[in-house]
Amino acid sequence: EVQLVESGGGLVQPGGSLRLSCAASGFTFSSYWMSWVRQAPGKGLEWVANIKQDGSEKYYVDSVKGRFTISRDNAKNSLYLQMNSLRAEDTAVYYCARVGEAGIGLRYYYYMDVWGKGTTVTVSS
Amino acid sequence: DIQLTQSPSFLSASVGDRVTITCRASQGISSYLAWYQQKPGKAPKLLIYAASTLQSGVPSRFSGSGSGTEFTLTISSLQPEDFATYYCQQLNSWGAFGQGTKVEIK
Repeated sequence: EVQLVESGGGLVQPGGSLRLSCAASGFTFSSYWMSWVRQAPGKGLEWVANIKQDGSEKYYVDSVKGRFTISRDNAKNSLYLQMNSLRAEDTAVYYCARVGEAGIGLRYYYYMDVWGKGTTVTVSS
Repeated sequence: DIQLTQSPSFLSASVGDRVTITCRASQGISSYLAWYQQKPGKAPKLLIYAASTLQSGVPSRFSGSGSGTEFTLTISSLQPEDFATYYCQQLNSWGAFGQGTKVEIK
């Protein structure tokens, strides 16, 4: 069964750090881009970061640049999100997602086709 | 940055209704658009990618269309399990989502 399981969430004070993990199983992890997406309480989805299959390319939403770092360990089938200098506005459920790819015509199209159940991060004093 | 605006933000409909949700991009994104369904307390579920390609296992009452800056998600005959929040996402330049459209029972 294709599965993603997040862990590492919790309560942290403003300015603190937290490392999220995402364990992948049931597919060849090293063949896919991976993403983190978050959802603040009662709000919509927000893409946070992406990482290429070999970790050579990483992209972030502006609001987390310089504070969050996405990484992966293909030998362990694991994705990570190191979050530093946390703020109240980082409070959210954090999902990891697999980025699928489909070739249609001469183009490749991407989409997030497998999602974990999420882990909750609360930033509060 | 590319912004996505969904309309309406809220929609009240009955079982059997035809429902259309619109997603507008602030600049052209070709067909690099996906649609997701999310139910309360659950992770999003992929419905459509490349603007109009139905994800495997998704019922055929869901369809997507559009390219460039204007896209639509249509549910041809709303079923009880379709009451949820729907999001569009652009993947032309990684990742932004629309603000969501909540579909509720009339």
